[in-house]
Amino acid sequence: EVQLVESGGGLVQPGGSLRLSCAASGLTFSGYWMTWVRQSPGKGLEWVANTKPDGSEKYYVDSVKGRFTISRDNAKNSLYLHMNSLRAEDTAVYYCAISVGEVWGQGTTVTVSS
Amino acid sequence: QAGLTQPPSVSKGLRQTATLTCTGNSNNVGLQGAAWLQQHQGHPPKLLFDRDNNRPSGISERLSASRSGNTASLTITGLQPEDEADYYCSAWDSSLSGIVFGGGTKLTVL
Repeated sequence: EVQLVESGGGLVQPGGSLRLSCAASGLTFSGYWMTWVRQSPGKGLEWVANTKPDGSEKYYVDSVKGRFTISRDNAKNSLYLHMNSLRAEDTAVYYCAISVGEVWGQGTTVTVSS
Repeated sequence: QAGLTQPPSVSKGLRQTATLTCTGNSNNVGLQGAAWLQQHQGHPPKLLFDRDNNRPSGISERLSASRSGNTASLTITGLQPEDEADYYCSAWDSSLSGIVFGGGTKLTVL
């Protein structure tokens, strides 16, 4: 069974940083595009970033460019999201997912507040 | 970054049929199709159909998906109370090299 498990969320002050992790199992991780998606309270799904299977290409939604960095370690079957200069509007549940959403993790909550 | 267009809400009666739509353009839905996701309150999204309209194991055969041009559709027959949820479509967008989502449709079963 394919599983994705996120971790690293929490409460952070505006301007702060967090690193989210996503541990994958049950699949050949290095064969898939991987994606971070977020969902603000009461809102819909928003694509945040994704990365090619070998990590050579990375793409971001405009609102996080220059602040967030997606990375992966295929040897550890892990995906990461480094988030800097966090803003209140980054408050959301962050999900990792395969490609356009074939499999989802349970999500990790990020709250940006003073 | 514009997303896919879905009606915000659809209401149908028990055992009726609901068809949800998702409209994009030639860079996304028209190019590689759309996936369909179901989300119940407080839970992560779950895949109903992939971009090729394949249904994962465990998904009810009352659900079907199709595409015509830049519009994808999800049809649910014999509506049941457990079908009440939010439904999202998603697609790869070649102009973004990223993913676009619909705004979601809240399906209410009366």
